[in-house]
Amino acid sequence: GAGVSQSPSNKVTEKGKDVELRCDPISGHTALYWYRQSLGQGLEFLIYFQGNSAPDKSGLPSDRFSAERTGGSVSTLTIQRTQQEDSAVYLCASSPSDRGNIQYFGAGTRLSVL
Amino acid sequence: AQSVAQPEDQVNVAEGNPLTVKCTYSVSGNPYLFWYVQYPNRGLQFLLKYITGDNLVKGSYGFEAEFNKSQTSFHLKKPSALVSDSALYFCAVRDENYGQNFVFGPGTRLSVLP
Repeated sequence: GAGVSQSPSNKVTEKGKDVELRCDPISGHTALYWYRQSLGQGLEFLIYFQGNSAPDKSGLPSDRFSAERTGGSVSTLTIQRTQQEDSAVYLCASSPSDRGNIQYFGAGTRLSVL
Repeated sequence: AQSVAQPEDQVNVAEGNPLTVKCTYSVSGNPYLFWYVQYPNRGLQFLLKYITGDNLVKGSYGFEAEFNKSQTSFHLKKPSALVSDSALYFCAVRDENYGQNFVFGPGTRLSVLP
């Protein structure tokens, strides 16, 4: 596809379960970002990947959160032992490696932890 | 470290009137400034950016923004608002001294009343 694709679009899980969220960036984009958006709130930076460099994990809220990016393309955000406060929309964005740094966002995954 | 403030949670304007959505920022180096718009149940869409050059930047859907270095502001404007402009607007900044980490403001909800 032409845009950033995220799956699933909605995920309902029980407290304590692990979840995996997937992001397919735009082909050729070397930068990939994950953000969390709580209801009606702004975006909270989680993690950033750029090419083959070590990811910037400075935004991950706890060690229950992790992310990987395979082959410089698809990324998976994993939340272990989910808590109710993890309920939010998780947004992925990709960006070409040019100076303009425009980020192209997916529609997000809405996570609900019961 | 960089930061962004959007002092108004909500802006209401009548259709046809000019609109302004405010943004101020703090960075140590030169700022890269962006505006994004989020329509209900959709990801963020890029509107416009300032990197260098002319302080008045024109973007999508008739929006423009003026970079004011002395006031550290980057207010979003449109001469004549449309009902379809009603959405959540985010200002974002990247400090050239802090790699690729973007900081987003909390968002301003714009309501254009018919």
